[in-house]
Amino acid sequence: DMKVTQMPRYLIKRMGENVLLECGQDMSHETMYWYRQDPGLGLQLIYISYDVDSNSEGDIPKGYRVSRKKREHFSLILDSAKTNQTSVYFCASSPRTGGNTGQLYFGEGSKLTVL
Amino acid sequence: GEQVEQRPPHLSVREGDSAVITCTYTDPNSYYFFWYKQEPGASLQLLMKVFSSTEINEGQGFTVLLNKKDKRLSLNLTAAHPGDSAAYFCAVSATGGNNKLTFGQGTVLSVIP
Repeated sequence: DMKVTQMPRYLIKRMGENVLLECGQDMSHETMYWYRQDPGLGLQLIYISYDVDSNSEGDIPKGYRVSRKKREHFSLILDSAKTNQTSVYFCASSPRTGGNTGQLYFGEGSKLTVL
Repeated sequence: GEQVEQRPPHLSVREGDSAVITCTYTDPNSYYFFWYKQEPGASLQLLMKVFSSTEINEGQGFTVLLNKKDKRLSLNLTAAHPGDSAAYFCAVSATGGNNKLTFGQGTVLSVIP
């Protein structure tokens, strides 16, 4: 069953608190992504991971870090969350060349609110 | 880096009417072009794709057209129905295998019965 699972789906945090968003996939995909989605801005790439411990900054990495210790798991960490990090975060995965074929598999999103 | 502009941000049409969503991109090395559909509260699903070598693709009531000269990608819906109501995003990827997709800002399409 091809699936990308995100946890938690909804999260409310106070400014300055740490946030951990987790993503898992069961397709053994090499590449995984974290995007954030904001109204009027579409999806912006935060980080891309090409495999275990092979992570690369996306277009908006500031304020975020990631961890990929197993191929099937990719975590997004916010150290000391800020109110402007309130957003919906999407994880996605793809086979090695998936970014070129367009076949990204997206999770259902994690809605983060930072008060 | 690549920049993608998508218009319009909102589009409302009556059932049976046509609808057109357009994206322009900047990187002349862009080669792979995609349209994703996102229904309310749901995730993104790949709708259609076209590669620089083909320039047109049709299916599911949609036509994707690519104008490489103008760096313009369009999604054309010939006869909208309420089930087409959703947000649509274009995405562009260049050659080189870095797997990075750049998304447009999205278009919220509403089809009125």
